[in-house]
Amino acid sequence: AAGVIQSPRHLIKEKRETATLKCYPIPRHDTVYWYQQGPGQDPQFLISFYEKMQSDKGSIPDRFSAQQFSDYHSELNMSSLELGDSALYFCASSVRASKETQYFGPGTRLLVL
Amino acid sequence: GENVEQHPSTLSVQEGDSAVIKCTYSDSASNYFPWYKQELGKRPQLIIDIRSNVGEKKDQRIAVTLNKTAKHFSLHITETQPEDSAVYFCAASPPGGGNKLTFGTGTQLKVEL
Repeated sequence: AAGVIQSPRHLIKEKRETATLKCYPIPRHDTVYWYQQGPGQDPQFLISFYEKMQSDKGSIPDRFSAQQFSDYHSELNMSSLELGDSALYFCASSVRASKETQYFGPGTRLLVL
Repeated sequence: GENVEQHPSTLSVQEGDSAVIKCTYSDSASNYFPWYKQELGKRPQLIIDIRSNVGEKKDQRIAVTLNKTAKHFSLHITETQPEDSAVYFCAASPPGGGNKLTFGTGTQLKVEL
Protein backbone atom coordinates (compact mmCIF):
# COMPACT_ATOMS: atom_id res chain seq x y z
CA ALA A 1 0.00 0.00 0.00
CA ALA A 2 1.12 3.53 -0.73
CA GLY A 3 2.51 5.44 2.22
CA VAL A 4 3.28 9.02 3.10
CA ILE A 5 6.26 10.32 1.14
CA GLN A 6 8.63 12.92 2.50
CA SER A 7 11.51 14.65 0.82
CA PRO A 8 14.30 15.13 1.29
CA ARG A 9 15.09 12.34 3.72
CA HIS A 10 18.20 14.07 5.00
CA LEU A 11 19.15 17.73 4.97
CA ILE A 12 22.18 19.58 6.26
CA LYS A 13 22.02 23.36 6.59
CA GLU A 14 24.03 26.13 8.14
CA LYS A 15 22.68 28.48 10.80
CA ARG A 16 20.49 31.26 9.41
CA GLU A 17 19.82 29.34 6.19
CA THR A 18 16.39 28.28 4.99
CA ALA A 19 14.96 24.83 4.36
CA THR A 20 11.85 23.46 2.67
CA LEU A 21 10.46 20.07 3.58
CA LYS A 22 7.87 18.37 1.41
CA CYS A 23 5.16 15.88 2.25
CA TYR A 24 2.97 13.84 -0.08
CA PRO A 25 0.07 12.22 1.79
CA ILE A 26 -1.36 8.78 1.20
CA PRO A 27 -3.65 8.88 -1.86
CA ARG A 28 -7.16 10.08 -0.94
CA HIS A 29 -5.96 11.42 2.41
CA ASP A 30 -6.97 15.05 2.72
CA THR A 31 -5.43 16.08 6.02
CA VAL A 32 -1.75 16.63 6.72
CA TYR A 33 0.04 17.07 10.04
CA TRP A 34 3.61 18.12 10.81
CA TYR A 35 5.50 16.95 13.90
CA GLN A 36 8.99 17.69 15.17
CA GLN A 37 10.91 15.07 17.13
CA GLY A 38 14.15 15.93 18.91
CA PRO A 39 16.62 13.23 19.98
CA GLY A 40 15.11 11.06 22.68
CA GLN A 41 11.91 13.13 22.66
CA ASP A 42 8.33 12.46 21.75
CA PRO A 43 6.91 13.97 18.56
CA GLN A 44 5.65 17.52 19.06
CA PHE A 45 2.76 18.76 16.95
CA LEU A 46 3.57 21.76 14.78
CA ILE A 47 0.66 22.42 12.42
CA SER A 48 -2.06 20.69 10.41
CA PHE A 49 -4.03 21.38 7.25
CA TYR A 50 -7.31 20.24 5.78
CA GLU A 51 -8.43 21.20 2.31
CA LYS A 52 -5.59 23.73 2.04
CA MET A 53 -6.71 25.50 5.18
CA GLN A 54 -4.80 25.48 8.45
CA SER A 55 -6.85 23.40 10.86
CA ASP A 56 -4.72 23.54 14.00
CA LYS A 57 -1.49 25.07 15.21
CA GLY A 58 0.88 23.86 17.86
CA SER A 59 4.36 24.82 18.95
CA ILE A 60 5.50 26.05 15.57
CA PRO A 61 8.04 28.90 15.68
CA ASP A 62 7.20 32.10 13.83
CA ARG A 63 10.24 31.39 11.64
CA PHE A 64 8.39 28.39 10.22
CA SER A 65 5.47 28.47 7.85
CA ALA A 66 3.57 25.78 6.02
CA GLN A 67 0.90 25.32 3.45
CA GLN A 68 -1.13 22.64 1.73
CA PHE A 69 -1.62 22.66 -2.01
CA SER A 70 -4.53 21.66 -4.23
CA ASP A 71 -3.06 18.17 -4.74
CA TYR A 72 -2.97 17.85 -0.91
CA HIS A 73 0.79 17.81 -0.65
CA SER A 74 2.26 20.09 1.97
CA GLU A 75 5.46 22.03 2.44
CA LEU A 76 7.09 23.20 5.65
CA ASN A 77 9.27 26.25 5.17
CA MET A 78 11.88 26.97 7.80
CA SER A 79 13.87 30.20 7.85
CA SER A 80 16.68 31.61 9.97
CA LEU A 81 17.58 28.09 11.03
CA GLU A 82 18.99 27.61 14.49
CA LEU A 83 21.04 24.77 15.96
CA GLY A 84 18.01 23.79 18.02
CA ASP A 85 15.99 23.12 14.88
CA SER A 86 18.02 19.97 14.31
CA ALA A 87 15.48 17.18 14.59
CA LEU A 88 13.41 14.61 12.76
CA TYR A 89 10.43 16.19 11.04
CA PHE A 90 7.53 13.88 10.40
CA CYS A 91 4.54 14.42 8.24
CA ALA A 92 1.41 12.38 8.87
CA SER A 93 -1.78 12.11 6.89
CA SER A 94 -5.34 11.04 7.54
CA VAL A 95 -8.78 10.97 6.01
CA ARG A 96 -11.01 13.68 7.40
CA ALA A 97 -13.92 11.31 7.79
CA SER A 98 -11.94 9.08 10.14
CA LYS A 99 -10.33 12.14 11.54
CA GLU A 100 -7.88 10.84 14.03
CA THR A 101 -6.08 7.88 12.48
CA GLN A 102 -2.78 9.35 11.39
CA TYR A 103 -0.15 7.54 9.38
CA PHE A 104 3.39 8.84 9.53
CA GLY A 105 5.90 9.33 6.76
CA PRO A 106 9.55 8.26 7.05
CA GLY A 107 10.62 11.69 8.23
CA THR A 108 13.20 14.25 7.21
CA ARG A 109 16.31 14.39 9.36
CA LEU A 110 17.46 18.00 9.52
CA LEU A 111 20.90 18.87 10.83
CA VAL A 112 21.75 22.51 11.37
CA LEU A 113 25.46 23.25 11.72
CA GLY B 1 -4.18 21.83 26.52
CA GLU B 2 -3.84 18.10 26.75
CA ASN B 3 -1.04 16.56 28.80
CA VAL B 4 -0.15 12.88 28.56
CA GLU B 5 2.03 11.08 31.07
CA GLN B 6 3.53 7.68 30.30
CA HIS B 7 5.14 5.05 32.52
CA PRO B 8 7.53 3.38 32.75
CA SER B 9 10.19 5.14 30.70
CA THR B 10 12.10 1.88 30.28
CA LEU B 11 10.88 -1.69 30.51
CA SER B 12 12.90 -4.86 30.22
CA VAL B 13 11.17 -8.24 29.96
CA GLN B 14 12.15 -11.76 29.12
CA GLU B 15 11.02 -13.19 25.82
CA GLY B 16 7.58 -14.74 26.23
CA ASP B 17 6.62 -12.52 29.17
CA SER B 18 3.96 -9.83 29.06
CA ALA B 19 4.62 -6.10 28.98
CA VAL B 20 2.31 -3.35 30.21
CA ILE B 21 2.69 0.36 29.54
CA LYS B 22 0.42 2.89 31.17
CA CYS B 23 -0.65 6.41 30.23
CA THR B 24 -2.79 9.07 31.83
CA TYR B 25 -4.30 12.09 30.13
CA SER B 26 -5.60 15.37 31.45
CA ASP B 27 -8.31 16.51 29.05
CA SER B 28 -11.51 14.64 29.75
CA ALA B 29 -12.77 15.65 26.30
CA SER B 30 -10.08 13.57 24.56
CA ASN B 31 -11.76 10.73 22.71
CA TYR B 32 -9.09 8.97 20.67
CA PHE B 33 -6.04 7.13 21.98
CA PRO B 34 -3.54 5.56 19.58
CA TRP B 35 -0.36 3.68 20.35
CA TYR B 36 2.69 3.96 18.13
CA LYS B 37 5.80 1.82 17.93
CA GLN B 38 8.99 3.53 16.85
CA GLU B 39 12.27 1.87 16.04
CA LEU B 40 15.43 3.96 16.18
CA GLY B 41 15.48 6.59 13.46
CA LYS B 42 12.27 5.34 11.87
CA ARG B 43 8.71 6.54 11.65
CA PRO B 44 6.14 6.01 14.40
CA GLN B 45 3.96 3.09 13.32
CA LEU B 46 0.38 2.81 14.50
CA ILE B 47 -0.08 -0.53 16.24
CA ILE B 48 -3.48 -0.15 17.84
CA ASP B 49 -5.94 2.57 18.77
CA ILE B 50 -9.07 2.92 20.86
CA ARG B 51 -11.89 5.40 20.95
CA SER B 52 -13.65 6.61 24.04
CA ASN B 53 -16.82 4.63 23.39
CA VAL B 54 -14.89 1.38 23.80
CA GLY B 55 -13.29 -0.01 26.96
CA GLU B 56 -10.98 -2.59 25.45
CA LYS B 57 -9.62 -3.59 22.07
CA LYS B 58 -7.45 -6.52 21.12
CA ASP B 59 -5.40 -7.39 18.05
CA GLN B 60 -3.55 -10.70 18.34
CA ARG B 61 -0.84 -10.21 21.01
CA ILE B 62 -1.65 -6.55 21.56
CA ALA B 63 -4.49 -5.12 23.61
CA VAL B 64 -5.42 -1.68 24.86
CA THR B 65 -7.72 -0.83 27.75
CA LEU B 66 -9.29 2.52 28.49
CA ASN B 67 -10.69 3.83 31.77
CA LYS B 68 -12.43 7.11 30.98
CA THR B 69 -13.34 7.81 34.59
CA ALA B 70 -9.74 7.59 35.74
CA LYS B 71 -8.46 9.06 32.47
CA HIS B 72 -5.92 6.37 31.86
CA PHE B 73 -5.25 3.78 29.21
CA SER B 74 -2.81 0.92 28.94
CA LEU B 75 -1.04 -1.15 26.31
CA HIS B 76 -0.65 -4.86 26.93
CA ILE B 77 1.70 -7.00 24.87
CA THR B 78 1.63 -10.73 25.51
CA GLU B 79 4.16 -13.39 24.52
CA THR B 80 6.77 -10.74 23.81
CA GLN B 81 9.34 -11.36 21.11
CA PRO B 82 12.73 -9.71 20.45
CA GLU B 83 11.22 -7.83 17.50
CA ASP B 84 8.86 -6.09 19.93
CA SER B 85 11.88 -4.15 21.23
CA ALA B 86 11.31 -0.48 20.37
CA VAL B 87 10.05 2.77 21.84
CA TYR B 88 6.30 2.84 22.36
CA PHE B 89 4.37 6.11 22.48
CA CYS B 90 0.84 6.60 23.66
CA ALA B 91 -1.09 9.63 22.44
CA ALA B 92 -4.38 11.40 22.99
CA SER B 93 -6.49 13.49 20.68
CA PRO B 94 -9.28 15.82 21.72
CA PRO B 95 -12.38 16.24 19.57
CA GLY B 96 -12.46 19.09 17.12
CA GLY B 97 -11.21 20.03 13.71
CA GLY B 98 -7.49 19.87 14.36
CA ASN B 99 -7.18 16.34 15.74
CA LYS B 100 -3.61 16.90 16.72
CA LEU B 101 -1.97 14.16 18.74
CA THR B 102 -0.38 14.85 22.10
CA PHE B 103 2.18 12.15 22.81
CA GLY B 104 3.43 10.64 26.00
CA THR B 105 7.17 10.66 26.64
CA GLY B 106 7.68 7.13 25.40
CA THR B 107 8.66 3.75 26.84
CA GLN B 108 11.80 1.98 25.72
CA LEU B 109 10.85 -1.71 25.69
CA LYS B 110 13.63 -4.27 25.57
CA VAL B 111 12.78 -7.91 25.14
CA GLU B 112 15.66 -10.09 26.21
CA LEU B 113 16.34 -13.62 25.05
